[in-house]
Amino acid sequence: AQKITQTQPGMFVQEKEAVTLDCTYDTSDPSYGLFWYKQPSSGEMIFLIYQGSYDQQNATEGRYSLNFQKARKSANLVISASQLGDSAMYFCAMREERSNYQLIWGAGTKLIIKP
Amino acid sequence: DSGVTQTPKHLITATGQRVTLRCSPRSGDLSVYWYQQSLDQGLQFLIHYYNGEERAKGNILERFSAQQFPDLHSELNLSSLELGDSALYFCASSARGGGLTDTQYFGPGTRLTVL
Repeated sequence: AQKITQTQPGMFVQEKEAVTLDCTYDTSDPSYGLFWYKQPSSGEMIFLIYQGSYDQQNATEGRYSLNFQKARKSANLVISASQLGDSAMYFCAMREERSNYQLIWGAGTKLIIKP
Repeated sequence: DSGVTQTPKHLITATGQRVTLRCSPRSGDLSVYWYQQSLDQGLQFLIHYYNGEERAKGNILERFSAQQFPDLHSELNLSSLELGDSALYFCASSARGGGLTDTQYFGPGTRLTVL
């Protein structure tokens, strides 16, 4: 069974609009962490944001925030005021104790920002 | 720039050959992870080393091997190469040996093409 599901293979968004990238996860471990990474066309994998299962508040890092809904097992990435440079693949990943803390990856969402 | 370096950036070789990919982790990081990213398989975890010792194995073929040296750099050896081994190979490093908040920072990757 898929542990990390990113249902949007691709998205087009107008520049300056906010965008939400969906991520749902499946775990019965009470302790887990969720990560988002960005992969531009140049290929490197860039860490964006982290949310722990016990964190009381949603994580934020600059224009990135995480809409963490624990009961729904979702950890959507929100990018505010999108820029052309945000065009990239975005991956959601999870780490849980029972998987020996190895990162489990989603299939990714390709985001294209239109000028 | 994540601080993780990988060489070479690109590698073109023939089937049946052997290649070595090199990774230097961020200063102070003790863990090195290797991943394979191909178009049809997504991001696959290969192996994790912590302070010179193998910590976890993922979907690593027997034709592949890795090691982490006393100076903490790591090498991934790929032998008897097949066309299907063509992929982007990432190295990532983290400060510790795992745990929920032990964020992995990725290198720029080595693009391997097997002809």
